[in-house]
Amino acid sequence: DAGVTQSPTHLIKTRGQQVTLRCSPKSGHDTVSWYQQALGQGPQFIFQYYEEEERQRGNFPDRFSGHQFPNYSSELNVNALLLGDSALYLCASSSQGPGELFFGEGSRLTVL
Amino acid sequence: AQSVTQLDSQVPVFEEAPVELRCNYSSSVSVYLFWYVQYPNQGLQLLLKYLSGSTLVKGINGFEAEFNKSQTSFHLRKPSVHISDTAEYFCAVSDRIGGGADGLTFGKGTHLIIQP
Repeated sequence: DAGVTQSPTHLIKTRGQQVTLRCSPKSGHDTVSWYQQALGQGPQFIFQYYEEEERQRGNFPDRFSGHQFPNYSSELNVNALLLGDSALYLCASSSQGPGELFFGEGSRLTVL
Repeated sequence: AQSVTQLDSQVPVFEEAPVELRCNYSSSVSVYLFWYVQYPNQGLQLLLKYLSGSTLVKGINGFEAEFNKSQTSFHLRKPSVHISDTAEYFCAVSDRIGGGADGLTFGKGTHLIIQP
């Protein structure tokens, strides 16, 4: 049983560009959350998707947007990239309720 | 709003010695509490969680944590550490009002360094 898979694992972009990151949840999970982890910091919640809708959002600007597909996979889009967007982006999947979040290994984004 | 404070950014411990990683939280509502571990170049893995019931929670790899409501703490302990426990440890909370389905608030992490 595959866990949470993310792609790409690494990517380099320049300021002002746009990026799309992808996530496939663990089998049986219907909820996908995205987190940003800057170097030396804990993960920060970006948003959560359930039933193809954004259910909750953290303190991130509108440049960060997402989508969930009918098969529960998800994308994170970041527009107008800034140097400060350089981070490890983690996807986590879960079922509803206070259960365990299963994390992928992340996509490391470097903005030059 | 919630916040999590991990009091130590780095904890060096000798192999087979006990360890305690400290976590304090602040919240205006009741919370669920979690500890996650992150090995180098990997995602996070759940060690243990407190949802309700007994305040002493046992997790994987011999770790345990105790929820102390009066001190708003959720310290992580292990009686005897191994080299393989070297990793970054994160404490996290989510509020109960959303049924625990809300996003987690993480601390900044504690780097556990095991010395031979």
